[in-house]
Amino acid sequence: GAVVSQHPSRVICKSGTSVKIECRSLDFQATTMFWYRQFPKKSLMLMATSNEGSKATYEQGVEKDKFLINHASLTLSTLTVTSAHPEDSSFYICSARSSSVDTGELFFGEGSRLTVL
Amino acid sequence: GQQVMQIPQYQHVQEGEDFTTYCNSSTTLSNIQWYKQRPGGHPVFLIQLVKSGEVKKQKRLTFQFGEAKKNSSLHITATQTTDVGTYFCAGASGGSYIPTFGRGTSLIVHP
Repeated sequence: GAVVSQHPSRVICKSGTSVKIECRSLDFQATTMFWYRQFPKKSLMLMATSNEGSKATYEQGVEKDKFLINHASLTLSTLTVTSAHPEDSSFYICSARSSSVDTGELFFGEGSRLTVL
Repeated sequence: GQQVMQIPQYQHVQEGEDFTTYCNSSTTLSNIQWYKQRPGGHPVFLIQLVKSGEVKKQKRLTFQFGEAKKNSSLHITATQTTDVGTYFCAGASGGSYIPTFGRGTSLIVHP
């Protein structure tokens, strides 16, 4: 099946610094990618929908200035957690859908575990 | 907004017992997808259901989509330790192609 690569898998940073997470679709083009946050033993909370070539669409309650999303190409979306604080520590996962199918399955990245000290 | 509720949150079974997780939507769905996330892993797509009353099988897994397209279930027959993980349903409705995930059911299989 299709592969979505997410990097880094783990990152530890100091409070106040910014962290960038990359999500790449390796063998297909993705017009749309999604970013989620997952708390321990909890569901996937959709943070935003990343649209290639346009601004991301953020879910209610998600600060767009805090979580910067850039979808510069059909195979790459990035999430930057700006001025990270300990409460931002979480598991962040991206997913992508093949451009040719709007309603098709989502391919998930491996996730990135962020720890803010 | 659309809500997708999934129960139970956890299920402990002895190996060989059956398991079922249920998903209910507050709105009529255009499709529903099921994913499995192993401990420490990421969600992996299992199946998509589109038609009212649809039933699909994958070996020991049976997926159903309700007649009203507002509920779905996943049934595993004779569970094995390899079935351990969290099973998520995700439904999309109306003109939105963005699926809303249920809370997930964590399956624990005791050998």
